[in-house]
Amino acid sequence: EPEVTQTPSHQVTQMGQEVILRCVPISNHLYFYWYRQILGQKVEFLVSFYNNEISEKSEIFDDQFSVERPDGSNFTLKIRSTKLEDSAMYFCASDPQGLNTEAFFGQGTRLTVV
Amino acid sequence: TQLLEQSPQFLSIQEGENLTVYCNSSSVFSSLQWYRQEPGEGPVLLVTVVTGGEVKKLKRLTFQFGDARKDSSLHITAAQPGDTGLYLCAGGRDNAGNMLTFGGGTRLMVKP
Repeated sequence: EPEVTQTPSHQVTQMGQEVILRCVPISNHLYFYWYRQILGQKVEFLVSFYNNEISEKSEIFDDQFSVERPDGSNFTLKIRSTKLEDSAMYFCASDPQGLNTEAFFGQGTRLTVV
Repeated sequence: TQLLEQSPQFLSIQEGENLTVYCNSSSVFSSLQWYRQEPGEGPVLLVTVVTGGEVKKLKRLTFQFGDARKDSSLHITAAQPGDTGLYLCAGGRDNAGNMLTFGGGTRLMVKP
């Protein structure tokens, strides 16, 4: 069964460093998302991406964050200068058509900022 | 801001019992999804409901979308230890490709 894959599974970085989280969405899906989940809290929307551009972003997704689809398969989330409060599980998701926002999630990347 | 409140937050029951968890909002959603999440993993989609009053069944799990599309319920019949996990509801809006709003989840433990 097709699935969303994310790498790395765990990333430890020093405060102020840049990190890039990688995702391979399900083939033929058209919409892509990043969500995050701080330990013990709700899953929060960061950004949605369609047709090679951001379609919506939350207040969390400030200038420190960026997304890119550099080729036909990868979808990346970059955090330019990490802060301690960026520590969370980051989930990539893809959606076949964007109808009914039916998202299929990857297994996540645990980001720890020290 | 659209909020989804789930209840109960925690539920511990014996194998074989029935249970219902609820997902409520003051806002209307165009669709509602139920996910199950294991520790350290991503949410796994169980079902999507889109029509007010819709009922969907997945083996022993029954999902219902409220008539006004503001609430939903998940009913599990004859719970088994394998049902143990975190159940999340998430609502989507009318515009395609937009965000999901997640509830805080119901953590279910089914004891053998």
